[in-house]
Amino acid sequence: GESVGLHLPTLSVQEGDNSIINCAYSNSASDYFIWYKQESGKGPQFIIDIRSNMDKRQGQRVTVLLNKTVKHLSLQIAATQPGDSAVYFCAASSASKIIFGSGTRLSIRP
Amino acid sequence: KAGVTQTPRYLIKTRGQQVTLSCSPISGHRSVSWYQQTPGQGLQFLFEYFSETQRNKGNFPGRFSGRQFSNSRSEMNVSTLELGDSALYLCASAQTIGEETQYFGPGTRLLVL
Repeated sequence: GESVGLHLPTLSVQEGDNSIINCAYSNSASDYFIWYKQESGKGPQFIIDIRSNMDKRQGQRVTVLLNKTVKHLSLQIAATQPGDSAVYFCAASSASKIIFGSGTRLSIRP
Repeated sequence: KAGVTQTPRYLIKTRGQQVTLSCSPISGHRSVSWYQQTPGQGLQFLFEYFSETQRNKGNFPGRFSGRQFSNSRSEMNVSTLELGDSALYLCASAQTIGEETQYFGPGTRLLVL
């Protein structure tokens, strides 16, 4: 069946460094991708999305890269701050059916 | 504009009981989806409601049911609770059915003893 998986369950980054969180999806028909951030005790919060006709999209301190050839997307967070500590997960959508990945926990070292 | 709200935030039940969770979507949003989130399984889709009708359903047993009211508020019910039903139940709203960008509520954490 379809799946969405993150490469690492945990990631530790030095404060101020850039963070890169990777995600792989299995369905080549997926045409819309979303990154969510979930802080402890809260629901997932929309960060950034990208459609399959693009390979890069930038937001405030965040960039999503999409490589459809290898069915891979990544979330880059610039100048990681303590407030970025959370679980990040990606979601892939095809024909409005959304599959969520399991999440990468990002921790920040001072 | 207020976000998605869910009540209660925390709940403790015992096996065999039933539970009802409530979700109020963002004003103007008419689609409500429910998800179960557990450490081992991640986010699992339960069902989606639009215009008071269940439009999509995930792979959960019939003990899990829901409904949507005319004001788009939704409730989810789990009957004959099992230990494995302990999870964070998340509600997400979207403007219309099939809308890919969903906005999540804070969730209801259910513990079944």
